Amino acid sequence: GENVEQHPSTLSVQEGDSAVIKCTYSDSASNYFPWYKQELGKGPQLIIDIRSNVGEKKDQRIAVTLNKTAKHFSLHITETQPEDSAVYFCAAALYSGAGSYQLTFGKGTKLSVIP
Amino acid sequence: DTGVSQDPRHKITKRGQNVTFRCDPISEHNRLYWYRQTLGQGPEFLTYFQNEAQLEKSRLLSDRFSAERPKGSFSTLEIQRTEQGDSAMYLCASSPGDRVGANVLTFGAGSRLTVL
Repeated sequence: GENVEQHPSTLSVQEGDSAVIKCTYSDSASNYFPWYKQELGKGPQLIIDIRSNVGEKKDQRIAVTLNKTAKHFSLHITETQPEDSAVYFCAAALYSGAGSYQLTFGKGTKLSVIP
Repeated sequence: DTGVSQDPRHKITKRGQNVTFRCDPISEHNRLYWYRQTLGQGPEFLTYFQNEAQLEKSRLLSDRFSAERPKGSFSTLEIQRTEQGDSAMYLCASSPGDRVGANVLTFGAGSRLTVL
């Protein structure tokens, strides 16, 4: 089955700096790559996603890049703010044929933005 | 619409007891998922419903676990004869039934289980 590795496990940045989180996946057939943000006491919230036919996607201060050949994808957050502090999860998914995209998550990155 | 609701938010039980969690998905979503999240880990897939039909189950879902979605709306996840290893956050998520949005999961806040 799919295996997703995520690095780093913790990341501290100064407010205004950029943060980069990297993930690799094992199953070359995976075709959907979402990123979730999880704040304390809350469920994961989708912040951006990318499909395998796209190399890069941007939404304001957040961008995701995908390298299908190397089987890795990255989350880039620019101009970080204290409210960006949370745990971020990457995931990889393959359309299972039964109507669902079964997500395999990485272990998460705890991002701390220091004011 | 208030999103995905889960109840209870926290359950403390003794080993060997049965527990049940409830999930109310977003009303127009016909797909419902259960995931388990242990401390310091990402969520792990347990099972998935399309309307009332349970279409997929992970091997993580032992025979002590049972999930239902009787009318295609809310779902329950029951754990029988709980073990300390069952301690985790149980997350419910839902997604639209149409092909375009089928893979966009909206998660609830989770139900945290502590087995003593």
